Amino acid sequence: AQRVTQPEKLLSVFKGAPVELKCNYSYSGSPELFWYVQYSRQRLQLLLRHISRESIKGFTADLNKGETSFHLKKPFAQEEDSAMYYCALRAQYNFNKFYFGSGTKLNVKP
Amino acid sequence: GAGVSQSPRYKVAKRGQDVALRCDPISGHVSLFWYQQALGQGPEFLTYFQNEAQLDKSGLPSDRFFAERPEGSVSTLKIQRTQQEDSAVYLCASSSRTGQADNYGYTFGSGTRLTVV
Repeated sequence: AQRVTQPEKLLSVFKGAPVELKCNYSYSGSPELFWYVQYSRQRLQLLLRHISRESIKGFTADLNKGETSFHLKKPFAQEEDSAMYYCALRAQYNFNKFYFGSGTKLNVKP
Repeated sequence: GAGVSQSPRYKVAKRGQDVALRCDPISGHVSLFWYQQALGQGPEFLTYFQNEAQLDKSGLPSDRFFAERPEGSVSTLKIQRTQQEDSAVYLCASSSRTGQADNYGYTFGSGTRLTVV
């Protein structure tokens, strides 16, 4: 069965510090992995997906199939990065359904 | 409309009461999804529509949950005989595409927060 694990409920860092939000998954096939973000009082929105191999707002994430991980990283955190971050998986056989992790709240302190 | 609109924003229901949650997707969006998000958890898939056809309802937790999209636009999620465990935020999302290639068109609404007392 598919499962996404985000081990940290809360992550606090100081502005300018590096940040890494952890995501591990279990899936026997070839998954698509995504990061979604929800800023305070805003809607859930897509941040990035592994297929694109892009950097959005300074964030990157690399899919590591050996470790079944898709950690989200940013070298220098900004206060405006404070938000809830959700890692999500989409299975290759059913691309209409996302499996979300329980989320990590990132708090960037000034 | 400009985005996915959900109503009501908040709903308090007494246990045993029936509720109906509405979703207005972005005009012309073919795909529509419902997710349930319990407190402290990530969203969990409930059901998926392509136009008026409900292609996947595997996430509906019980037969008390029913969703429809009769004309392929507005959708209603109905919960009969609500229970306390139904308390959650119900999210609707829509997409302009039906295939795997596109995900940027997957837009979430603000959700309806249902509290069953």
